Amino acid sequence: DIQMTQSPSSLSASVGDRITITCRASQSISSHLNWYQQKPGKAPKLLIYAASSLQSGVPSRFSGSGSGTDFTLTISSLQPEDFSTYYCQQGYSLWTFGQGTKVEIK
Amino acid sequence: EVQLVESGGGLVQPGGSLRLSCVASGFTFSSYSMNWVRQAPGKGLEWLSYISSTSSTVYYADSVKGRFTISRDNAKNSLYLQMNSLRDGDTAVYYCARAAHSGYGYYFEFWGQGTLVTVSS
Repeated sequence: DIQMTQSPSSLSASVGDRITITCRASQSISSHLNWYQQKPGKAPKLLIYAASSLQSGVPSRFSGSGSGTDFTLTISSLQPEDFSTYYCQQGYSLWTFGQGTKVEIK
Repeated sequence: EVQLVESGGGLVQPGGSLRLSCVASGFTFSSYSMNWVRQAPGKGLEWLSYISSTSSTVYYADSVKGRFTISRDNAKNSLYLQMNSLRDGDTAVYYCARAAHSGYGYYFEFWGQGTLVTVSS
């Protein structure tokens, strides 16, 4: 099974900050990596697919990069509505999610 | 507008069974693969099961293999999850999710609002 490890597990940031979340796969997954945002009590929302493709309707301040085993999600200028939990997901061999990264207000 | 609406959750005793449903609208259901994903209280997301558009291919996570069965009825625009031999650890919100395919595999494009399953005596 492919394990996905996100770091950090949580972070505190301010509006306007640039933040980066890292996701590491236990083996190479090429670009089979997706990112989701989840707010409390709500369903996850797709942000990025295939490592770097922005889902329609998602603001351009979100971006994804990486291939192989190491991936990043970057928010270029954090907005109030971005304070959420973010999950990476590999789709190379079935599907596995990372444990999540909670982004909180500093 | 794409909509996925889950139902069938509730309180069930350990060892019991439950059948979840997910009704789709706003798209051609029979053209899309579907998935079930769950989230235990305060925990992360766990993929459970996949079914292809024609039901020809199904996959399960090891945690539910042999206990859960995914199925669909394209005539009714509905996805199902039959859950047997339920355990305390199956307590979670269960989501259905529509899959889309890129050059790099499937991703979960649309999600339902979830239905809560509580396993407790």
